Amino acid sequence: EPEVTQTPSHQVTQMGQEVILRCVPISNHLYFYWYRQILGQKVEFLVSFYNNEISEKSEIFDDQFSVERPDGSNFTLKIRSTKLEDSAMYFCASSDTSGDTQYFGPGTRLTVL
Amino acid sequence: AQSVTQLDSQVPVFEEAPVELRCNYSSSVSVYLFWYVQYPNQGLQLLLKYLSGSTLVKGINGFEAEFNKSQTSFHLRKPSVHISDTAEYFCAVIRIYNQGGKLIFGQGTELSVKP
Repeated sequence: EPEVTQTPSHQVTQMGQEVILRCVPISNHLYFYWYRQILGQKVEFLVSFYNNEISEKSEIFDDQFSVERPDGSNFTLKIRSTKLEDSAMYFCASSDTSGDTQYFGPGTRLTVL
Repeated sequence: AQSVTQLDSQVPVFEEAPVELRCNYSSSVSVYLFWYVQYPNQGLQLLLKYLSGSTLVKGINGFEAEFNKSQTSFHLRKPSVHISDTAEYFCAVIRIYNQGGKLIFGQGTELSVKP
């Protein structure tokens, strides 16, 4: 069964450093998403992406964040200058042409020191 | 705007007992509803969904949920739980006809099944 995959599973970085989280969505899916889950809190929407552009973003998704689909398979989330409060589990998700059901990857745990 | 409330943060039950995890939502427009499960140290797995049709939906691992529009609820049930059902369960909604839109999640309910 096709799955969303994410790398790395765990990323440790120093405050102020740039990180890139990578995702490979399910191959025939057209909508892509990033969510995050701070420890002990709700899963929060960050951004959605369709047809090579952002379709919706939350207030969390400020200028420090960017997304890209650099080729036909990868979908990335970049944080330019990480802060301590960026420490969280980051989930990638994708959905097909109907866009109504989102399938999640296993997540990347980001730890900012 | 939509919001989701999961009324119980933790639900301890004994193996083979029935369980109900409660979910209520608030929305001024129609929504699709989902339950996701997160096993320890794993990602979010789709358990079941309600898009339209029968209000009783069946999912994986013997779980089912019933959509009640008048009570704006989507409670998750299983008649007999196993140790392996120990996980965190998340209820989520999305506006209908909002392809590519955001899921709104509840706070999660930690189900702990004891022998």
